This record gives sequence, C-alpha cells and structure tokens, in this order.
Amino acid sequence: ELKVEQNPLFLSMQEGKNYTIYCNYSTTSDRLYWYRQDPGKSLESLFVLLSNGAVKQEGRLMASLDTKARLSTLHITAAVHDLSATYFCAVDMGKTGTASKLTFGTGTRLQVTL
Amino acid sequence: EPEVTQTPSHQVTQMGQEVILRCVPISNHLYFYWYRQILGQKVEFLVSFYNNEISEKSEIFDDQFSVERPDGSNFTLKIRSTKLEDSAMYFCASRARVYNTEAFFGQGTRLTVV
Repeated sequence: ELKVEQNPLFLSMQEGKNYTIYCNYSTTSDRLYWYRQDPGKSLESLFVLLSNGAVKQEGRLMASLDTKARLSTLHITAAVHDLSATYFCAVDMGKTGTASKLTFGTGTRLQVTL
Repeated sequence: EPEVTQTPSHQVTQMGQEVILRCVPISNHLYFYWYRQILGQKVEFLVSFYNNEISEKSEIFDDQFSVERPDGSNFTLKIRSTKLEDSAMYFCASRARVYNTEAFFGQGTRLTVV
C-alpha cells in the first residue's frame, strides 16, 4: 500500500525566511502533484511533476521531484503572509486500466508570521 | 475558467438519513472522483469513476455508499444511512486524462451528521 508522508506537519516561519517541505512516498511513481488548501476551502493545484528531476517554479514556490529517492520538495523563498495555508503533496500511481487515484500526504500547515 | 461545482456547500443531516451530494465536473473531463477530508486530517480517496462505472474504490466506500452519473453532466455520491463518523468535507474531482494531468477539485460539501 502506498504511503505518502510529509514533514514537517506544522511550520511556523517568519516573513522573509526560506524553508523546504518534504514529501516522501513508499512506492515507485513518476507523477506527483502539489496542492494548496486554505482553511475551509478546496484544493488548488500548484505544481504537476511528471518525471525524475522535474523542477517547477511559481513565484516564491519551487517544487522538485526525485523519483529514485521517492522524494519531492516544496521550497519557499522569502516567505510572505499570503503563503499561509496547508500544502499537500499527492502521488499518482498511474495504474493501467484504472482511473488512477491520487494518494495524498499528511499535509503541512504553514503559518507565516510578521 | 471551467470549474468543478458541488452542491450543497453544507448539509446537516440526522444519523440514519440518506444524503445525496451533487457534483458537476468540468465538461470535457472523463474521470471522476470523490474524496473526503475529516476536519484537520488528510484527504482520503473514496471512489473513482470512468466510462459509466466504478474504476476503483477504497475500504471506506462500503455498501452504504454509491455513485451515479445519471446524465451527461452530474456526478452524485449517495450515503444511504449516515453515521456520525461520516461527518467530513466531501470533495468531487475530475480529470481530462489519467496521465500527466492534475485533478481539479470542487469547493466541497461539508456534511455534518447529528
């Protein structure tokens, strides 16, 4: 059974600082997604990572995928308060003949303080 | 921009009652999903649906749950006899293709069983 773990579970950081969220998964996959969730809201797609070594950047966020290490990272540069949210990684097993569900990580609640 | 829409946004029901949660996926998408999120926890897969049939279901999706795509646009989740532990946020999602595309999520239905 696929297990997806994130760390840290909770991250409080000051504005202007850098930090990295880690997503480890237990079974080979080369499809990984990052989502953002604001309290009480839906899941907003941030990044789609589809191959080993994939790197995507949007604003102050950068995501990467290392399929050999079964690890994805979400790096935050010079955090601002607007980035406060919960971030989930989700792994796609991509099994042939199925609709290919996403298995979500535990989530990292990010709080950016002034 | 196309989006997944869900109704109602909040449903309160008595234990033992039947509820139907409704979703309108993005119009050209072929793969449909229901996920749930118990407050403060991770997002859990319930069921996937493709070509008018269930593709995969989780252990959570027992005989009390059913899904239907009654017409070309709606996708519903029915819980026959609700339990207290069914209280959660239920998200519908859809994808255009299985490979190399993210899932787009609706805004969710908060189900409260009393």
